[in-house]
Amino acid sequence: DTAVSQTPKYLVTQMGNDKSIKCEQNLGHDTMYWYKQDSKKFLKIMFSYNNKELIINETVPNRFSPKSPDKAHLNLHINSLELGDSAVYFCASSQLDRGPLQYFGPGTRLTVT
Amino acid sequence: RKEVEQDPGPFNVPEGATVAFNCTYSNSASQSFFWYRQDCRKEPKLLMSVYSSGNEDGRFTAQLNRASQYISLLIRDSKLSDSATYLCVVKGSTGGFKTIFGAGTRLFVKA
Repeated sequence: DTAVSQTPKYLVTQMGNDKSIKCEQNLGHDTMYWYKQDSKKFLKIMFSYNNKELIINETVPNRFSPKSPDKAHLNLHINSLELGDSAVYFCASSQLDRGPLQYFGPGTRLTVT
Repeated sequence: RKEVEQDPGPFNVPEGATVAFNCTYSNSASQSFFWYRQDCRKEPKLLMSVYSSGNEDGRFTAQLNRASQYISLLIRDSKLSDSATYLCVVKGSTGGFKTIFGAGTRLFVKA
């Protein structure tokens, strides 16, 4: 059983388009995250939700909007895609009161042309 | 200064070698420390937590020096399957439990 799943795995799109990436976890965790890993391999946190409430919101363009319909899902919508948005986006989850260990999804490789 | 700094490598070592990675962090209030492993085009996975007293898991030994704000990972008797990028990870107890990842150190173990 997949613990943290993301769809799609690959996404190729043109500049200016709007796209969404979905994430689901079946671990019963209360906290979910979105990370961006760019071509230089830096893994940077973008957002974190705890029990559907936003708790971390890094300096990310407001074209990026996370949405958490319930504790098991955290989706990422990106408006007006730019070339610099090309990266691998990882979703992760954790249970805050059990420590900071995070489980990552397989990643979504986004290519903006 | 980056919040978490690592030597990017790559480290090229023969099978059976011992290799050590270092990591420094800037926030003295950081509470939790980890090493994650990331294979090419895969997600990061926890390798081990790092405790002040030092801890060992098979061929892997992690150490933390809070005074110097320094973390290390030692791999003994390297295997081909150890080839990966090793990420130093630091987490605070405030600011939403923000996790900071180092850029990673690449390791290639050759036969």
